[in-house]
Amino acid sequence: AQSVTQLDSQVPVFEEAPVELRCNYSSSVSVYLFWYVQYPNQGLQLLLKYLSGSTLVKGINGFEAEFNKSQTSFHLRKPSVHISDTAEYFCAVTKINNDMRFGAGTRLTVKP
Amino acid sequence: EPEVTQTPSHQVTQMGQEVILRCVPISNHLYFYWYRQILGQKVEFLVSFYNNEISEKSEIFDDQFSVERPDGSNFTLKIRSTKLEDSAMYFCASKEGIAGTDTQYFGPGTRLTVL
Repeated sequence: AQSVTQLDSQVPVFEEAPVELRCNYSSSVSVYLFWYVQYPNQGLQLLLKYLSGSTLVKGINGFEAEFNKSQTSFHLRKPSVHISDTAEYFCAVTKINNDMRFGAGTRLTVKP
Repeated sequence: EPEVTQTPSHQVTQMGQEVILRCVPISNHLYFYWYRQILGQKVEFLVSFYNNEISEKSEIFDDQFSVERPDGSNFTLKIRSTKLEDSAMYFCASKEGIAGTDTQYFGPGTRLTVL
């Protein structure tokens, strides 16, 4: 079965600094990868997804992620964060006709 | 933009009571899911539902849980006799088709508190 590991439970950064949130997955078959964001007291919002094709995926709010098959990683990046990016970020993986498996989440805190 | 809705936003119940959490998936979607997130922990899959039957369920989804699509719009999760450890945020999700490429759209969640 597929699984996801988010290596950092908390990432504090200063405003306008770059950030990388790390995600590694394991699966014996091809998978599809997602990043979701959860703002305080809200549901999960899709940031971006990798299905196939270009390994660099651009999402909403200036985020992007790169799929690296050899390293089984799908790290999320943003070159310059804002206070409003403070949230919980979840990496997720799914296969065709299957449920979604989430990582434990990374709490991004952007400080002024 | 169409969205998944869930009611209530917060449910407080006594241990041993039955609760029903309601979801209205996006109208043309065919696959429905329930997930839960215990405070401070990861989002966990509970069950998937297609064509009026359960497609897949996790080990968490025991006999205390059931799902139903009672009409053409609602998708419900029932917990028959709640336990303290059922306290969590419950998310409903739906997607259009069977492909893994289809995005699951999540509702805002129902926070269940069992006292």
